Amino acid sequence: NAGVMQNPRHLVRRRGQEARLRCSPMKGHSHVYWYRQLPEEGLKFMVYLQKENIIDESGMPKERFSAEFPKEGPSILRIQQVVRGDSAAYFCASSDEQGGLIEQYFGPGTRLTVT
Amino acid sequence: AQSVTQLGSHVSVSEGALVLLRCNYSSSVPPYLFWYVQYPNQGLQLLLKYTSAATLVKGINGFEAEFKKSETSFHLTKPSAHMSDAAEYFCAVSEKGSGNKLVFGAGTILRVKS
Repeated sequence: NAGVMQNPRHLVRRRGQEARLRCSPMKGHSHVYWYRQLPEEGLKFMVYLQKENIIDESGMPKERFSAEFPKEGPSILRIQQVVRGDSAAYFCASSDEQGGLIEQYFGPGTRLTVT
Repeated sequence: AQSVTQLGSHVSVSEGALVLLRCNYSSSVPPYLFWYVQYPNQGLQLLLKYTSAATLVKGINGFEAEFKKSETSFHLTKPSAHMSDAAEYFCAVSEKGSGNKLVFGAGTILRVKS
């Protein structure tokens, strides 16, 4: 029973490039959350998605960041025109309605470095 | 708005000693509370959770936590520290009906001395 998968695990981008982070939730889970962990800080909520819908994006920066969770395929977090301040670990978590959406299962994270 | 405060960004204990990691929360409704552990360069692993059942919650690896509503606390304890417990620990809170997005504390790094 595979857990939450994220790829790539490490991503290096130059300033101004685009970063695409992928998350495949646990089998049977249709709810995905993205969190960002800046160096030496706790995780901060970014966005909550269900299949084909953004439910809560209150933690997303207003510009350059977008997320999607299509009917087929992984959830994607896209960062356009990256800046050095985007360097962080990005974690995806998934949950299912059978568990009342209480417990979230985390992936290993994507560590983005902007040079 | 929900918030979590973890007292002590670094805690150091000797192997075999009691581990106590402190967490206080604020929430406008009865919360769900969680403790996660993170090893270097890895994701988060759930240690235990409180979901309004028993106030004393037992988790994996010998950890437990007690929900105290009057103190708005959810401190994590383990009777005897092991070297493998060295990691960073995060307390988190969520509210039912908010999509259960998690609000995390800043984390506590636990160091275990031999």
